[in-house]
Amino acid sequence: EAGVTQFPSHSVIEKGQTVTLRCDPISGHDNLYWYRRVMGKEIKFLLHFVKESKQDESGMPNNRFLAERTGGTYSTLKVQPAELEDSGVYFCASSPGGGTRDRGPVEQYFGPGTRLTVT
Amino acid sequence: GIQVEQSPPDLILQEGANSTLRCNFSDSVNNLQWFHQNPWGQLINLFYIPSGTKQNGRLSATTVATERYSLLYISSSQTTDSGVYFCAVEDWAGGFKTIFGAGTRLFVKA
Repeated sequence: EAGVTQFPSHSVIEKGQTVTLRCDPISGHDNLYWYRRVMGKEIKFLLHFVKESKQDESGMPNNRFLAERTGGTYSTLKVQPAELEDSGVYFCASSPGGGTRDRGPVEQYFGPGTRLTVT
Repeated sequence: GIQVEQSPPDLILQEGANSTLRCNFSDSVNNLQWFHQNPWGQLINLFYIPSGTKQNGRLSATTVATERYSLLYISSSQTTDSGVYFCAVEDWAGGFKTIFGAGTRLFVKA
């Protein structure tokens, strides 16, 4: 079974440009999460999808970030326009189960990350 | 929200030595995972361990949920163990966000 995949693995863009990151979760996983680690800091939650719905987007830093998950399969995270402080590693994760607490605790599976460098 | 604290922040070991990494969390959690971020930045799942003890080769982990801590043991460390070890818990207070600790940066010397 394929794991969580992310594309691209590395992106270098100039300040002010737009970048779109893609995440393909494990097949059948309803839950999809985005996280990021900016240089030297902690890994921070960005948002959580249950199928195509945004369950929690409290971690999105500002309106330059837009996440979508059309059809409840893969997800994209667009940064427009990119700023220097957006540089870091963006991780995607997925997990099985639904979007309520009845599902119980489940393991999250992380992708390899996309390293974004804004110059 | 839940606070996650890891210790020590940095650790230098001689190859072959053993070590214990600690993760404390401030409230009851429904999920706990340990990860290793390798020098290429990839997050590798080590353990999914909401409670109890698990072992995988030279690594083992114990979570005592009632006392709000988890331990990661590394035995006979190797240079390839170098990297950052993260503890992460799932906070159900406002959704299912995962809260990461700041990590323990491990360097194993040959």
